[in-house]
Amino acid sequence: EIVLTQSPGTLSLSPGERATLSCRASQSVSRTYLAWYQQKPGQAPRLLVYGASIRATGIPDRFSGSGSGTDFTLTISRLEAEDFAVYYCQQYATSPLYTFGQGTKLEIK
Amino acid sequence: QVQLQESGPGLVKPSGTLSLSCAVSGGSISTNNWWSWVRQAPGKGLEWIGEIHHSAKPSYNPSLRGRVTISVDKSKDQFSLSLSSVTAADTAVYYCARNAIYCMDVWGKGTTVTVSS
Repeated sequence: EIVLTQSPGTLSLSPGERATLSCRASQSVSRTYLAWYQQKPGQAPRLLVYGASIRATGIPDRFSGSGSGTDFTLTISRLEAEDFAVYYCQQYATSPLYTFGQGTKLEIK
Repeated sequence: QVQLQESGPGLVKPSGTLSLSCAVSGGSISTNNWWSWVRQAPGKGLEWIGEIHHSAKPSYNPSLRGRVTISVDKSKDQFSLSLSSVTAADTAVYYCARNAIYCMDVWGKGTTVTVSS
């Protein structure tokens, strides 16, 4: 099973700042199989990025994904108040088919 | 646009069976998509439970294999989750989702299931 480790666990930043969230895999993951989600309290996850760098429909361009192999990054260029949430990376593999990282909480400083 | 809505009992007794349904609206379940169940224990991360296609065998998370069954009802455009021999560790918010390109692009709002006597 491929394990995804996200860092940091909590990131404290101010609106307008740049956020960099990391997702490290225990084995190499194809870029095609790496996605990012945002989850706000009491809400379902929302797909942000798939294929490591392709923004989902309706996602603002301040969100960008990058990386390859075992290291992937979600960057939010200029934080807005609505961006403070928990972010999960997810990968697709053989068994189990889908696994998620443990999440990074992005909080207002 | 496709919307998903989970339904089912919010309270299940230990050793009992958890049964949930997910209704697909704004589209058909009989497309080329797979459909997943994902859960989230209180204060924890996301765990994929399994997936189904309207014309293929389901796949399950090995951590739950033997206790989980996912089925589809094409006539009702819905799919269902059954989880047997539940314990307090199965207490969670359960989400249904539509699979896209190796990700999940549409999610239901989730339903809370508590396992307690």
